[in-house]
Amino acid sequence: NAGVTQTPKFQVLKTGQSMTLQCAQDMNHEYMSWYRQDPGMGLRLIHYSVGAGITDQGEVPNGYNVSRSTTEDFPLRLLSAAPSQTSVYFCASANSLYGSEAFFGQGTRLTVV
Amino acid sequence: AQTVTQSQPEMSVQEAETVTLSCTYDTSESDYYLFWYKQPPSRQMILVIRQEAYKQQNATENRFSVNFQKAAKSFSLKISDSQLGDAAMYFCAFHTGTASKLTFGTGTRLQVTL
Repeated sequence: NAGVTQTPKFQVLKTGQSMTLQCAQDMNHEYMSWYRQDPGMGLRLIHYSVGAGITDQGEVPNGYNVSRSTTEDFPLRLLSAAPSQTSVYFCASANSLYGSEAFFGQGTRLTVV
Repeated sequence: AQTVTQSQPEMSVQEAETVTLSCTYDTSESDYYLFWYKQPPSRQMILVIRQEAYKQQNATENRFSVNFQKAAKSFSLKISDSQLGDAAMYFCAFHTGTASKLTFGTGTRLQVTL
């Protein structure tokens, strides 16, 4: 059982480049989310989705786009990478039962130079 | 705004000893769920323990237990008989019923020494 799979695990981008971080889950979870982890700041919510076709902004959405065309996939797009987006990115999924726990992918370490 | 505060950036414990990690939170909701996640050097986020706010009984999972004080909005994690494998970053988090929106603390790095 793969759970939540993120690709790539590491990425280096030049300022201004675009890229997509992939996230897929095989648990048929309705909820999916993207977080970024920065030193001394914990994990902060970027975007989230409560089902296919439904997305919403979290705490730090600027510079990121998402879409949810299927239940399984929730890609995160960086349109024009900036050094401030250097971070570790986590994708998480959860079922819609009240009070459920979130399951996390292994993270993507992104460096923007 | 909902916030989680972990006031101990780093903690250290000797193997086989007990350590308590602190967490306080702020929310206007009456129903919510609290979590402790462990992040070892592998970066994987692993659920350690969870607590439903409407339950007065403190959650326990083997060597891990919590001290949940709802009125004080406090949710500390106690690790008994500490092992080398417990060394990791620990994050306190909560959500108000919808697991798509977790609020995290800044983390406590736990060192376990021989």
